[in-house]
Amino acid sequence: DQQVKQNSPSLSVQEGRISILNCDYTNSMFDYFLWYKKYPAEGPTFLISISSIKDKNEDGRFTVFLNKSAKHLSLHIVPSQPGDSAVYFCAASEGDNQGGKLIFGQGTELSVKP
Amino acid sequence: DTEVTQTPKHLVMGMTNKKSLKCEQHMGHRAMYWYKQKAKKPPELMFVYSYEKLSINESVPSRFSPECPNSSLLNLHLHALQPEDSALYLCASSQASGLGKLFFGSGTQLSVL
Repeated sequence: DQQVKQNSPSLSVQEGRISILNCDYTNSMFDYFLWYKKYPAEGPTFLISISSIKDKNEDGRFTVFLNKSAKHLSLHIVPSQPGDSAVYFCAASEGDNQGGKLIFGQGTELSVKP
Repeated sequence: DTEVTQTPKHLVMGMTNKKSLKCEQHMGHRAMYWYKQKAKKPPELMFVYSYEKLSINESVPSRFSPECPNSSLLNLHLHALQPEDSALYLCASSQASGLGKLFFGSGTQLSVL
């Protein structure tokens, strides 16, 4: 049973436009959500996070939105740059209840074309 | 220093070999993790150490044996692996378990022949 789902395996966007990556979850006990960016043969790099007490968190070009009632979060990148091309993983945790266990989605491969 | 360092970067081993993967962090983090990632799949949690004690073992086969000699070091001892164990092995750390934000190393790409 996949608790964190990224239904789009890939996304292609033109440079300068907005990239929107989506993530759905099923476990209502999740209280902390993160986005990681990953290049091939490297470890994931933390991008941005959001606590369940918020519905938006912004950091430069990256904004994460959380809709708890829909159990949905999204990552907006604007403007998109070719260097943003990577695999983006959504992840969720129940905080200390589960000892820090992060559950990852399947990932969305973003390609930003010049 | 915000790095998690993993060695070696690549490892090829036979099914009868014994090898170890090493991970080091100097951020003062008290939780360390091993994840396994197959191609085109998400990272999957294997083990969590919290304050140098094993707190989570995700039903990992005993041919994988973790060790946390001190708060900065994490090892994964490998013995009698199978070809299906070939994957990218990722080490991560966080300030404490349960605080969510993990810092990952670059991983060890393991091939079992």
